[in-house]
Amino acid sequence: NAGVMQNPRHLVRRRGQEARLRCSPMKGHSHVYWYRQLPEEGLKFMVYLQKENIIDESGMPKERFSAEFPKEGPSILRIQQVVRGDSAAYFCASSPGLATGELFFGEGSRLTVL
Amino acid sequence: DQQVKQNSPSLSVQEGRISILNCDYTNSMFDYFLWYKKYPAEGPTFLISISSIKDKNEDGRFTVFLNKSAKHLSLHIVPSQPGDSAVYFCAPGAQKLVFGQGTRLTINP
Repeated sequence: NAGVMQNPRHLVRRRGQEARLRCSPMKGHSHVYWYRQLPEEGLKFMVYLQKENIIDESGMPKERFSAEFPKEGPSILRIQQVVRGDSAAYFCASSPGLATGELFFGEGSRLTVL
Repeated sequence: DQQVKQNSPSLSVQEGRISILNCDYTNSMFDYFLWYKKYPAEGPTFLISISSIKDKNEDGRFTVFLNKSAKHLSLHIVPSQPGDSAVYFCAPGAQKLVFGQGTRLTINP
């Protein structure tokens, strides 16, 4: 399966711990996007990255959240000192950068903060 | 700042009939408009798209209509099938996609 791979699929953390979510884009894709879906809501854009660069982080909370997409390896979304409100499904998507805008999504990582 | 609105949280349609899902947007800078379908516990999957220079795009049972003057987008599914039951998101975009809140479509046999 050459699709977008996200792991872990499910993650449970206690308040104050750190959460790290990983995303391997589709082969040949150099553009990665992270979206968050809170319960009963739509997908909210968080950040758009290309290899080693953050292109648009306008949807990222100002504190505790960071993202990277290194030259080698998966993209990482890191949430420090998690709070209950961080509980959500986090979706990663990748694209080859075509003007059509189509994004290919992974199955998501579901974070539960106790 | 809700740039994209899907005002119907849910829609129920009889199998074989037409399903019409609607979407309104405010940003006139969107270049392309996509529809995604999502099943529970899965990621969204691309369904159909239309560029801002067109007003209609058809792919099998799915047709998307774009009314730029009204800033309105709609997805028609005909005939509707039970497997179409899912949440549908409209997602206009320029550099990134902006998703609506979604409409849960239920097709009744």
